[in-house]
Amino acid sequence: QITLKESGPTLVKPTQTLTLTCTFSGFSLGTSEVGVGWIRQPPGKALEWLALIYWDDDNRYSPSLKSRLTITKDTSKNQVVLRMTNIDPVDTATYYCAHGQYGSGSFYFDYWGQGTLVTVSS
Amino acid sequence: DIQMTQSPSSLSASVGDRVTITCRASQSISSYLNWYQQKPGKAPNLLIYAVSSLQSGVPSRFSGSGSGTDFTLTISNLQPEDFATYYCQQSYGNPRTFGQGTKVEIK
Repeated sequence: QITLKESGPTLVKPTQTLTLTCTFSGFSLGTSEVGVGWIRQPPGKALEWLALIYWDDDNRYSPSLKSRLTITKDTSKNQVVLRMTNIDPVDTATYYCAHGQYGSGSFYFDYWGQGTLVTVSS
Repeated sequence: DIQMTQSPSSLSASVGDRVTITCRASQSISSYLNWYQQKPGKAPNLLIYAVSSLQSGVPSRFSGSGSGTDFTLTISNLQPEDFATYYCQQSYGNPRTFGQGTKVEIK
């Protein structure tokens, strides 16, 4: 059974760095064609794809946020960490991590964490 | 970035109706298109991947079609538990953009 859970601060001050940890079980990030991604959703708004790290350490970032994001993995701890620098109130959102894999060539997220609401305010 | 545009943004339907949601990509994405369902306060749930492959455990009343730039999600015989917001997502280019969502409400 695959599960994922996000953890991190619920309140962050502007200009600070946000560090979110995704702790997962039921799969290994060392398994071929597997990845873990981060997606966020501002209150009442749509989903926004942020970053993805693959089993082979390859990673992808949203170009609009690339300068502010770092995604890393610790395979032995079953964790993926997302860091976002220079936080702004517009970054207030629920942040999800999700397990992804390839199927028929398309990469999709089939297991999601429950999400963690991060509020940016002074 | 590849833009994903869903239509309509919202719709009202009755139990038993057939509902179709459209997703259009700003460029060809081949068959790299996924659909998710999200209920209020919950994480998204994968319905369909690669245009038309039904995720395990998803009812067969959900189906997907399309290729290139135009895709559709169809819900036949709408059930009470299907009232939710639906998102398409492309996995062809970076970033793997989502559509803006289509909210299916009870008429």
